[in-house]
Amino acid sequence: EAQLVESGGALVQPGGSLRLSCAVSGFTFSTYWMTWVRQAPGKGLEWVANIKYDGSQKYYVDSVKGRFTISRDNAKNSLYLQMNSLRAEDTAVYYCAKWDWGRLDPWGQGTLVTVSS
Amino acid sequence: QSALTQPPSASGSPGQSVTISCTGTSSDVGGYKYVSWYQQHPGKAPKLMIYEVSERPSGVPDRFSGSKSGNTASLIVSGLQAEDEADYYCSSYAGNNNLVFGGGTRLTVL
Repeated sequence: EAQLVESGGALVQPGGSLRLSCAVSGFTFSTYWMTWVRQAPGKGLEWVANIKYDGSQKYYVDSVKGRFTISRDNAKNSLYLQMNSLRAEDTAVYYCAKWDWGRLDPWGQGTLVTVSS
Repeated sequence: QSALTQPPSASGSPGQSVTISCTGTSSDVGGYKYVSWYQQHPGKAPKLMIYEVSERPSGVPDRFSGSKSGNTASLIVSGLQAEDEADYYCSSYAGNNNLVFGGGTRLTVL
């Protein structure tokens, strides 16, 4: 059974940095695109970024371009999201998911990032 | 990267059918067959219910179905059950490996 487990969420001050991780098992990680999606408290889902199976292509929502970097380590079956210059509006639960032409399945349980002084 | 438009709420009695709409543009919903629907219960991760407009993953009850006409996709839940009460989100591929979500619809089973 496919399983995704996010970690790394924390309370961080505005302007700070954080690195999220997503450990994957149960499917051939190195052959799938992966994605990060976030959900601000009480709000809807927002696609953040995705990455090609070999890491050669990366795409971002406009609001995080230049601040967030998605990456992966296929040898470790792991996905990452490096978040710099964090803002209050980045406060959200961050989910990783397997991407297949916009079909996101399965999802991890999420990790909470809170940006506040 | 504008969000798709969903009604904020929908409701129905047990056994009834309810339809949730998701309106986009020709650059997303209208331009691709890659429309998905997700169910999210409070405090839980979203769960894929429909993909490619009308396909159902294994394990999803056939009470859930999807369709699309032009720039509007729809999720139909028939034979409503108490456990269907949740938030539902549509999403659409929007080209250039981008994805856009709808704002979400809270489904209440009366």
